[in-house]
Amino acid sequence: GAVVSQHPSRVICKSGTSVKIECRSLDFQATTMFWYRQFPKQSLMLMATSNEGSKATYEQGVEKDKFLINHASLTLSTLTVASAHPEDSSFYICSARDSGLLDYEQFFGPGTRLTVL
Amino acid sequence: QQPVQSPQAVILREGEDAVINCSSSKALYSVHWYRQKHGEAPVFLMILLKGGEQKGHDKISASFNEKKQQSSLYLTASQLSYSGTYFCGTEPHYSGAGSYQLTFGKGTKLSVIP
Repeated sequence: GAVVSQHPSRVICKSGTSVKIECRSLDFQATTMFWYRQFPKQSLMLMATSNEGSKATYEQGVEKDKFLINHASLTLSTLTVASAHPEDSSFYICSARDSGLLDYEQFFGPGTRLTVL
Repeated sequence: QQPVQSPQAVILREGEDAVINCSSSKALYSVHWYRQKHGEAPVFLMILLKGGEQKGHDKISASFNEKKQQSSLYLTASQLSYSGTYFCGTEPHYSGAGSYQLTFGKGTKLSVIP
């Protein structure tokens, strides 16, 4: 199946630091990628939909100025957590859909665990 | 709106069967099932796209009743490797600008013991 990578897998930073997370589709093109956040023992919550070449669509309650998304190419989307605070600590997961297929499957990356001290 | 999954948790002995349900208050276009192990990303199991559709591979199958806006995941002759949290993700009919967006249920924790 298709592979989605995320980098870094784990990051620990001080409060006030900005953190950048990369999501790459390794063997397919993805015009649309999705960013989720998952707190311990909870479900995946969609934060935003990232569209190649256009602005991301944010879910209600997600601050677009805090969670900056850039989808510069068909294989790369980045999420930048600006001025991270301890409450931003979470498991961030991206997913991507193969633009060339009619199938609706979303391929998930391995996730990035962010800890803000 | 978030789909409702039931049960919240289930404990099985190896070889036993289980059913996990997912229901939505909205008309659905598709239902996706994933399994997630602790600390890892969700792993895709299957998608169901049309009313009354059933799918399966190995000993895991699922059904989708479009009219009732419900889907069920069936695990038969469970194995230790089936342990994890199962999530259903629903895509509403006519997603519009948010095409292919999924809303996930709270999950069902399945524990298979020897």
